[in-house]
Amino acid sequence: ELKVEQNPLFLSMQEGKNYTIYCNYSTTSDRLYWYRQDPGKSLESLFVLLSNGAVKQEGRLMASLDTKARLSTLHITAAVHDLSATYFCAVDKDNQGGKLIFGQGTELSVKP
Amino acid sequence: DTAVSQTPKYLVTQMGNDKSIKCEQNLGHDTMYWYKQDSKKFLKIMFSYNNKELIINETVPNRFSPKSPDKAHLNLHINSLELGDSAVYFCASRWFAASTDTQYFGPGTRLTVL
Repeated sequence: ELKVEQNPLFLSMQEGKNYTIYCNYSTTSDRLYWYRQDPGKSLESLFVLLSNGAVKQEGRLMASLDTKARLSTLHITAAVHDLSATYFCAVDKDNQGGKLIFGQGTELSVKP
Repeated sequence: DTAVSQTPKYLVTQMGNDKSIKCEQNLGHDTMYWYKQDSKKFLKIMFSYNNKELIINETVPNRFSPKSPDKAHLNLHINSLELGDSAVYFCASRWFAASTDTQYFGPGTRLTVL
């Protein structure tokens, strides 16, 4: 059974600091997705990573994928309060772009 | 314009009742999904339809029955509601042929069973 594990599950950061969220998964997959969820809101797509070594950046967030290590990272640079949210990674179980298996989510709180 | 919409946004009901949640997407996608998010925020896929055909049917109580009247709509009917059904239910959609595309999520329906 495919398992997707994120760590940490809770992250309290100070503004201006850097940190990394890790997403490990248990079976072979070339497709990994990152989503953001604000409290009481829907999921917003952040990144789609489709091959080994893929790196994508948007603003203060950068995501990477190492399919050999079955690991994706979401790096936060110089955090700001607006980044406070829950971040989910999800792996496409069958490499068919449909059956997403989600990690537990990382609840990020950025404090002044 | 709302890309993926769900109704109702909130649903409060008694145990044993039957209820439905509706989902509509105007993105022109041909594949739609239902997810359940529990109180610990864990998201789990339940069902998926591609062009009105059921393609993903996870281990879900048979009290849950999805129905897709056309590729722009996917409804979820729940019979004999139980306390454990309380959760947020999200609908999502995408183009099946664009197998690398992300899924677009609706706003969610918060179901509370009393």
